[in-house]
Amino acid sequence: AQKITQTQPGMFVQEKEAVTLDCTYDTSDPSYGLFWYKQPSSGEMIFLIYQGSYDQQNATEGRYSLNFQKARKSANLVISASQLGDSAMYFCAMRESKGAQKLVFGQGTRLTINP
Amino acid sequence: EAGVAQSPRYKIIEKRQSVAFWCNPISGHATLYWYQQILGQGPKLLIQFQNNGVVDDSQLPKDRFSAERLKGVDSTLKIQPAKLEDSAVYLCASSFGRQGLSSYNSPLHFGNGTRLTVT
Repeated sequence: AQKITQTQPGMFVQEKEAVTLDCTYDTSDPSYGLFWYKQPSSGEMIFLIYQGSYDQQNATEGRYSLNFQKARKSANLVISASQLGDSAMYFCAMRESKGAQKLVFGQGTRLTINP
Repeated sequence: EAGVAQSPRYKIIEKRQSVAFWCNPISGHATLYWYQQILGQGPKLLIQFQNNGVVDDSQLPKDRFSAERLKGVDSTLKIQPAKLEDSAVYLCASSFGRQGLSSYNSPLHFGNGTRLTVT
C-alpha cells in the first residue's frame, strides 16, 4: 500500500533563509504523482507543486521547488527566500495511477518563520 | 473560477446527536472527496465519488457515517450518532477526472472545511 512519511514535526527558520521539508514515500506502482500542500492556520489546503514519477526534471513553481530523488523515493520541498507568510503546516501527498487513484497524505510538518 | 464550497464552517453538537455537512465542487469536476482531519494529523480519506458512484469508501465508518452525491454534483456527509472522537475538520475536495481516464496527475482542490466539535 502507498505510504507517505514526513519525519519533521516542526521546523524553525529565519526569514529570507531557504528551507527544505522532507518527504519519503513508498509504492509499488511505477506511475504516480507527488503533491505538496500548504495549510495555514485558517485551515484551507492550498496546492503548491506537483511532480510526476516520469518527469525528468525537478518541478518548480516560483519560490517552491521539488527535489525529486526517485531511487531514494524522496520528494523534498524547497522554499527559497522564506517569508513570514510561509508559516503553516505543509503536507506531502501521493496519488498512484492504479485503483481509485486516491490522494494519501503524510503527517505534515509545521513550519515557523522567525523575523 | 469558483472554488469548492462547504457549509457550515463550524458546528458544535453533543455526542449521540446527528450532523450533516454540505459540499459543492468546482464546476466540471467529476471526482469528489471527503476527508477527515483530526487535529495534528494529515487528512484521511473517508469517501471518494466519481460522478454519483462511490469509488472508495474503505475508511468510512459505515455504522455511523453516510455520504451521497445525488445527480453527480453536490454532496452531503452525515454522522449519526456522533461520538467524541469524531471531533475534527471535515474537508471536501474535487478534481478533474473522467471515467476511464487516468487522472492521478491532477491536484485536488479543497474547500475551507467544516470544524466539528462533539461535546
